[in-house]
Order: sequence, then structure tokens, then C-alpha cells
Amino acid sequence: SQTIHQWPATLVQPVGSPLSLECTVEGTSNPNLYWYRQAAGRGLQLLFYSVGIGQISSEVPQNLSASRPQDRQFILSSKKLLLSDSGFYLCAWSARRAYYGYTFGSGTRLTVV
Amino acid sequence: DAKTTQPNSMESNEEEPVHLPCNHSTISGTDYIHWYRQLPSQGPEYVIHGLTSNVNNRMASLAIAEDRKSSTLILHRATLRDAAVYYCILRRYGGSQGNLIFGKGTKLSVKP
Repeated sequence: SQTIHQWPATLVQPVGSPLSLECTVEGTSNPNLYWYRQAAGRGLQLLFYSVGIGQISSEVPQNLSASRPQDRQFILSSKKLLLSDSGFYLCAWSARRAYYGYTFGSGTRLTVV
Repeated sequence: DAKTTQPNSMESNEEEPVHLPCNHSTISGTDYIHWYRQLPSQGPEYVIHGLTSNVNNRMASLAIAEDRKSSTLILHRATLRDAAVYYCILRRYGGSQGNLIFGKGTKLSVKP
């Protein structure tokens, strides 16, 4: 069966520090991968998606970047965190076709102080 | 992107059926109707999806109008664990329009 792993679960980082969040998927190949963010009391915002190794599409301009160095690995990064980067970050994967659902990771709660 | 409209909140009593409505009047022929729910402090969880016909699974049923401009998620017997935000989302086949774009959803409260 397919599983998705996301870590760490919680993170407190100072303003201006770098960020690296990792997500890996097991039990499938060629997945679509996604990073979402949910600010406190807000909805889920799609940040990045990837349909293959090295292929990253950004949905919103921001202080973050994403990379996909391997088929089932998706990394969210920042060189210098801002207070506004605080939130709940979720990784998700789906099969390519629209009739498949998404599976989300357990999320990383990031607090920038 | 095709949009969906859901009530902001709904209340239900435990062990009673719940009907969560969703309007999607601009749906296109290649849009699948997906439902997810998000419990507090957790990632969204897939509930059900469909294209034209009604669908049933162990979690819920999805009733799709004949013109596909609306749908209803049915929880047959609400439990306290069903209290969550429920999202109705259209997912288009192919390309970036196949990405899930979440709206505000419906916050379901379940009373014991």
C-alpha cells in the first residue's frame, strides 16, 4: 500500500533562518506531488506541484522554493524565513488521473519567531 | 477554474443523517467532484469522488444532480468523529487544472 511520510511534525525557527521540509512517498511510482500551506484560521493554499523529477510549478510568489530530486521525494525550502511563513505545511500525492484522490501527509506545524 | 459554493457551517445530531450540499454551476464535462474532510490539526482526508453517477463507499455517499450543477455528501449516521471541515472540490482531468484547489468548506458540528 502507498504511504506518505512528512517530517518534522513541529518546528520553531527564528526569522531569517533557513528551512527544509521533506516529504517522501512509498508504494507508488511517478506520483504527482504537492505542497500546501494553511495559515492559522485560513484555508489550504496550494504552493507548489510537481509532475516529475526536476519539474516544479509554483502557484503563488513567495519566499519558498521546492525541489524534487527523486521520483518520490519532495522538498520545501526557504533561504530566509519570514514571520508570515508560519503555518501548517502539508505534502500530498496523487496518481496522475483526475479520478484518483489525494493522500495527505500528517503535516508540519512551523512557527517562525 | 470551476468554483464550488458550500454553506459555511452546519450542525447535526449524533446518529442522525447529514446532507452536506455543494453547488458547482460552472462545472465542465471533465470535472470530477471530490470531497475531503479535515479534522482539527490534521491534513485533509479523502472522502469520496464521482463524475456523473451516485457513489457509495464505507465513509459516505455522494449524490450528484442529473445536470451535475450540484452534489450532496451524505453521512448516513453522524458520529462525534465526523465533526470536521468538509470540502467540495472540482478536479479537472489533465494539466494544472487537475490540481485540488480548496475553498473554505463547510464546518460540520455534531452534537451528542
